[in-house]
Amino acid sequence: AQRVTQPEKLLSVFKGAPVELKCNYSYSGSPELFWYVQYSRQRLQLLLRHISRESIKGFTADLNKGETSFHLKKPFAQEEDSAMYYCALSGKINYGQNFVFGPGTRLSVLP
Amino acid sequence: DTGVSQDPRHKITKRGQNVTFRCDPISEHNRLYWYRQTLGQGPEFLTYFQNEAQLEKSRLLSDRFSAERPKGSFSTLEIQRTEQGDSAMYLCASSFTAGGRTGELFFGEGSRLTVL
Repeated sequence: AQRVTQPEKLLSVFKGAPVELKCNYSYSGSPELFWYVQYSRQRLQLLLRHISRESIKGFTADLNKGETSFHLKKPFAQEEDSAMYYCALSGKINYGQNFVFGPGTRLSVLP
Repeated sequence: DTGVSQDPRHKITKRGQNVTFRCDPISEHNRLYWYRQTLGQGPEFLTYFQNEAQLEKSRLLSDRFSAERPKGSFSTLEIQRTEQGDSAMYLCASSFTAGGRTGELFFGEGSRLTVL
């Protein structure tokens, strides 16, 4: 079955510290992996996707197929990074394509 | 285009009543998704449409839930005989997907359902 796990419900770091939000997945094919973010009182929005290989707002994520992981990293956290972060997987599930989301990690960046 | 819009934003109902939510996607998007989210959880997939065709429905979805997208534009999600366990945020998202490349999901602000 397709599944996304995020082991940390809450992650607190100080401003300027590195941050890593963990994501592991199970999928039998070649998935596409995404990170979505929800800032306070805003709707869910895409942060980055693995095929783009971009750095967005200083965040990067590398797909490790051997470890089935897609961890989100930022070298120097900022207070405005405080938000809920969801890892998501898209793959050919049944006869269509679907998105499966992890339970989310709340990142709190302390001053 | 103001993005994905959902109506109503909040709905309070008594157990046993029927409720209907509406989602208006971004106009050129061909896919529309419904998710449910409860406190402390990520969005849980309910169903999705490609144009007007409902391509997948979660096995977790009971027969009390039905969704339509009659002309491939807006969609409705109806819950019949609501139960307290149906209380959640119902999220709609849309995307444009073509040529095998998965489109980014654009989410609405959600419709919060409270069943008393």
